[in-house]
Amino acid sequence: QSALTQPASVSGSPGQSITISCTGSSTDIGLYKYVSWYQQHPDKAPKLIIYAVTNRPSGVSSRFSASKSGNTASLTISGLQADDEADYYCNSYTISQTWIFGPGTRVTV
Amino acid sequence: QVQLRESGPGLVKTSETLSLTCAVSGYSISYGAYWGWIRQAPGKGLEWIANIDNSGLTYLNPSLKSRMTISVDTSKNQFSLTLRSVTAADSGVYFCARRDEHNCFDYWGQGTLVTVSS
Repeated sequence: QSALTQPASVSGSPGQSITISCTGSSTDIGLYKYVSWYQQHPDKAPKLIIYAVTNRPSGVSSRFSASKSGNTASLTISGLQADDEADYYCNSYTISQTWIFGPGTRVTV
Repeated sequence: QVQLRESGPGLVKTSETLSLTCAVSGYSISYGAYWGWIRQAPGKGLEWIANIDNSGLTYLNPSLKSRMTISVDTSKNQFSLTLRSVTAADSGVYFCARRDEHNCFDYWGQGTLVTVSS
């Protein structure tokens, strides 16, 4: 199956905004609205922070927002806080009826 | 509140079979939804393994398909993963999760560490 690409790392200062990109293809991100994002702190289970491209689950901070354009999805964290320091993974459903994760982006605050 | 908890052997010998179970509480598998397995090798990213629904319909990662079996037991409210002929590359933390109607994984177990060694 095809791969998703993410930057290995992104950094920002407290209060700043950062954006993480996730690039796929016309058979996954470009085809469906089934893009999700997960936050993972060290030695913890991933946490869903965005589903269906732009939607936040109940309880997730409004500082997290996301979008999609063509084959690329993006996650923006605004008002960066120390607790945002974590790994972030994008995920997409694919035309092959499989799910694929991006390699992850380490966010440093 | 939906909760998932993985259980498994912790240590598996090379070429043998890994069996993991995910017990679900706070939600009846019989109601519907979908259930999945995701793993993470040490220091690496997440890898989707498989999904199953309450009727037993499965979706499998092509790279692991030939070695795995996934099943659901609605009477025990749990689902299971079996991976045959394991190697060191199968070592890592295995998570179970619920996949919702938006094709995302909204509830996760805490993960169980599996080490494959001779």
